[in-house]
Formats: sequence, structure tokens, C-alpha cells
Amino acid sequence: QVTLRESGPALVKPTQTLTLTCTFSGFSLSTSGMCVSWIRQPPGKALEWLARIDWDDDKYYSTSLETRLTISKDTSKNQVVLTMTNVDPTDTATYYCARVTPAAMSSDYWGQGTLVTVSS
Amino acid sequence: DIQMTQSPSSLSASVGDRVTITCRASQTISRYLNWYQQKPGKAPKLLIYAASSLQSGVPSRFSGSGSGTDFTLTISSLQPEDFATYYCQQSFTTPQTFGQGTKVEIK
Repeated sequence: QVTLRESGPALVKPTQTLTLTCTFSGFSLSTSGMCVSWIRQPPGKALEWLARIDWDDDKYYSTSLETRLTISKDTSKNQVVLTMTNVDPTDTATYYCARVTPAAMSSDYWGQGTLVTVSS
Repeated sequence: DIQMTQSPSSLSASVGDRVTITCRASQTISRYLNWYQQKPGKAPKLLIYAASSLQSGVPSRFSGSGSGTDFTLTISSLQPEDFATYYCQQSFTTPQTFGQGTKVEIK
């Protein structure tokens, strides 16, 4: 079955770089049409789409965050990594990774999410 | 970026009620519209993709309609487990923006 799991630090200091890893199973990112996205949700707020990486290594970013985000994949390890530079307290959120399928580019499987707090 | 606007932001309803949530895109997105349900402390769950296709395992009381810029999620008979927050998302182009959410509460 398809599973995804986010991992990374629970606490990050302002100005530091945040690195999150999504480890997945049950599908391959080398399969045509498969993609993985990162989405975040500040406490009590709405979902915010951050980035997506496709099977062919195409990458897409949030317009407001693209200068701070980098997404990459390691197909052999079934991992997708998201880095965010120069974090500040407004980046405090639960970060999710999700599989994106060709079915209208919808996210059909999600990880449980990881809460990242940015504080000194 | 395409802006997605949901209405209402919240609603109160009773078990058995018919509930309708709307989502409007700031430009045409054909039928590239997905609906998700999120319960407190949980990851979102895909309900509807491509505006009207029911995700496997989702009860048939959920349905979606619309195309272009205006879309609707309908719950035909609200059940206790349906009290949650619902989000629309456009997947016509990146960034794949979400609506602000609609919280469905118990009346």
C-alpha cells in the first residue's frame, strides 16, 4: 500500500535552513505521471501549497516562497527533500508531503504531517 | 496565481441535512478542481477529483459539480463523521492553490 512519512526537526531557529524529508513506499517517482508535493498548514489556518516535483524532475514552487525553497528527489531511496532557507516564526506549521497522481493532479495519499516550530 | 474562494467560511448543520459548499476560481480552470476533507489533527483526505469524480472508498453522499470557474461540493445527507473542514484546490496550473476552507459544524 502507499504510505508517506515526513521527517525533520521539530524546532528551528529564525534565519536557519529547514530540511524536511518525505520517505514514501508503494509507488515509484520514476513512474510516468507520478509527483510529490509539499503542503503546509500554520496552526488554525488553511492549507498552503509549497512545491511539487515530478517523475521527470520538473520542479514547481509557490510564487511567494520560491526564492527560499528547493525540492529534490532521490528515486533510489524513495525520498523527496524540501529545504527552506531563512526561516522565521511565520513558517511555523505542520508540513505535509502528498502523492500527486495524473488523475487531475490530485493528492490521493498524504503523510501524517510534521509540526515545525520556528523560535529562538 | 489563481485565487480560490470558498463560501461560506463556516456553516452549522444538523445530521441528515443537505449541505452545499461552493468554490470559485479567479480564472477558468476547466474541471481541474479537487475537494479534500480534514478533521482536527489529521491530514487532509481526497474526496473528489476532476470536479466530479468520487475518490475510491468515499461515500456516495458526497458529490461534486461545476466547470470553468464555479464548483460545488454537496453532501446529500450529513452524517456525524462529516463534521470537518473542507478545502477545494485547483490543479489546472502551478502553484496548485487551495481555498481558505469551509468548516462544517454541528447545529
